Parts: sequence; structure tokens; C-alpha cells
Amino acid sequence: GAVVSQHPSWVICKSGTSVKIECRSLDFQATTMFWYRQFPKQSLMLMATSNEGSKATYEQGVEKDKFLINHASLTLSTLTVTSAHPEDSSFYICSAYYLPGRRGFGQGTRLTVV
Amino acid sequence: LAKTTQPISMDSYEGQEVNITCSHNNIATNDYITWYQQFPSQGPRFIIQGYKTKVTNEVASLFIPADRKSSTLSLPRVSLSDTAVYYCLVVVPGNQGGKLIFGQGTELSVKP
Repeated sequence: GAVVSQHPSWVICKSGTSVKIECRSLDFQATTMFWYRQFPKQSLMLMATSNEGSKATYEQGVEKDKFLINHASLTLSTLTVTSAHPEDSSFYICSAYYLPGRRGFGQGTRLTVV
Repeated sequence: LAKTTQPISMDSYEGQEVNITCSHNNIATNDYITWYQQFPSQGPRFIIQGYKTKVTNEVASLFIPADRKSSTLSLPRVSLSDTAVYYCLVVVPGNQGGKLIFGQGTELSVKP
């Protein structure tokens, strides 16, 4: 149980374009999902909390207009990096609650902006 | 949320038992301690969770003293495939919206 799937696993895009990353809970319903970003040799940094049917809650310092989050169903949340720049290159990971104190994590998406 | 402190890195050899200790001095009464494992370029994976005393599953044991201000993850007889980053987190159970804030983690390197 608690399978969370991300797509794509990796993506390369040109500077100035937008990229959408999907996060799906495959065997459970997730009313709340979380998006993290991880730079090389660093820990996961929480970017935002995605709530089904409502606006996402962003952590301090995260630009909500740049990182658009949509949680339109109980099994899907998407993160769109708009007007991507090389400094947005990172490893993006989604997570979903499935048991008290536990989260399932996606396999991550490696974004490279050239 | 209680802050956690763990060693940045540890080295071990195959077949040894590895113990990683985490400090969480400000843990609240209802908080649980949870450990995750992360391999390079993958999302974290749940290892074990506990509230007090000792918890054991098929991959690890978790020791929590009575004051709960620290916890120790024990990995028996590690192999090369246990090389990963291990994160200790304090979580509030039953709160779906509760954030998981990751600390620096412990990078475990298992050598042959």
C-alpha cells in the first residue's frame, strides 16, 4: 500500500518554458499532498502543502506564482514550474499522507533547465 | 515541531550492526518518532516508527528511552545496499495536514 507515483522521472527543458510534474496516489486517496525540493547533498525542503479542492499553502520564501500547484482530485496533485530558469534545476519530490505519522513518497523528478 | 539532531555521516562495514542516534529534546507528549531512508535520486522510504521503548520490524529496530528525548535506529548486519541517508523525524499522528520537516539526515556509508 501507500504507493505514490511521480511523472516524469526526469525532464530537461529550455529556460523560460514551463514544466508540469504529476503526483498520483495509486492505492489510496490523498486529501493532502506535499511538495519538496532537494538540491544535491542537501536535505528535502518543504515547498508547499497541496489540499484537494482548495488552494495550496506555500512555505515562506516559495513563490506561489512560479510554482503552481493544483490538487483537483483525491489521487492527483500537479506542480507546474513556470518560466523555468537554471536555478530551478533540482530534484522535486511529492508526498502524501496515508497513515498516522506516515507519508508515502514519490520517486522524485529530476528537473534540468538549460 | 520538535527539532532533531543527528550525526551528519557514519561509516560501517558489511555485517556490522549500525546504530544511529537522534536527539529531539523538545518532543511533545503526543509526538511519534519516525525514520526514513533515502537512496540517491529516489524519494524517501519509511523504515520504522515508534512512541516509546522498543519497536522492531523486518528491517530495523528503534529504541526510545523513557524520557523520549532521543531515539536510536539500529540496523542489524548492514550490507552495501544499506548505504543511504537516514532521516529522523518527529511527527504528530492523526494530522493529515501535518508537515514533515526533514533535518540534515545521516549519510551512512557501508564498505566491503
